Amino acid sequence: ETGVTQTPRHLVMGMTNKKSLKCEQHLGHNAMYWYKQSAKKPLELMFVYNFKEQTENNSVPSRFSPECPNSSHLFLHLHTLQPEDSALYLCASSQISGTANTEAFFGQGTRLTVV
Amino acid sequence: GENVEQHPSTLSVQEGDSAVIKCTYSDSASNYFPWYKQELGKGPQLIIDIRSNVGEKKDQRIAVTLNKTAKHFSLHITETQPEDSAVYFCAASYGDKLIFGTGTRLQVFP
Repeated sequence: ETGVTQTPRHLVMGMTNKKSLKCEQHLGHNAMYWYKQSAKKPLELMFVYNFKEQTENNSVPSRFSPECPNSSHLFLHLHTLQPEDSALYLCASSQISGTANTEAFFGQGTRLTVV
Repeated sequence: GENVEQHPSTLSVQEGDSAVIKCTYSDSASNYFPWYKQELGKGPQLIIDIRSNVGEKKDQRIAVTLNKTAKHFSLHITETQPEDSAVYFCAASYGDKLIFGTGTRLQVFP
């Protein structure tokens, strides 16, 4: 148990569906991240939230929409996905202080399959 | 741009042998270099990290070295055991984010 919980663990959705991934951290961290892990591009950074403000959008298509209502919760809203979006989506959190990074704690991930 | 290269992509060793994984990074401002181990069905977990003011760090069978001038850092696992089999990722910090290498699949044969 890393202190970062992701739900659901598995998700199968059609290309016209709307679904959301949820991440919750119980570590008191101030930064949260979404990563995409696929066979072709392992651990690809998607979004960064620092004190609830989005500081990075790594050229992610608009069919992925993040939401960070508070520093403990992070969502990834999915809409009109493509089969190539099938991957493991990992959430992480860390404590950022100035330019000093600390360990990022990862959740177990959501295995997403788009059919 | 922000880039971390990792080699090799796969590594097979006999139990008891050593394993070495190497990474290079592109931004001289990077100051934090963690290594993660990912087992099947799980998220990556930190096994060791090093900061830019240190050249080497050791934790039991695991050690990491950092060469800031060359922008290289390496993971060394000694006396490997079958339970060390997993995918290992290096990462380098860029501002408030971590950029990961492409991973090394390590297999330790009994």
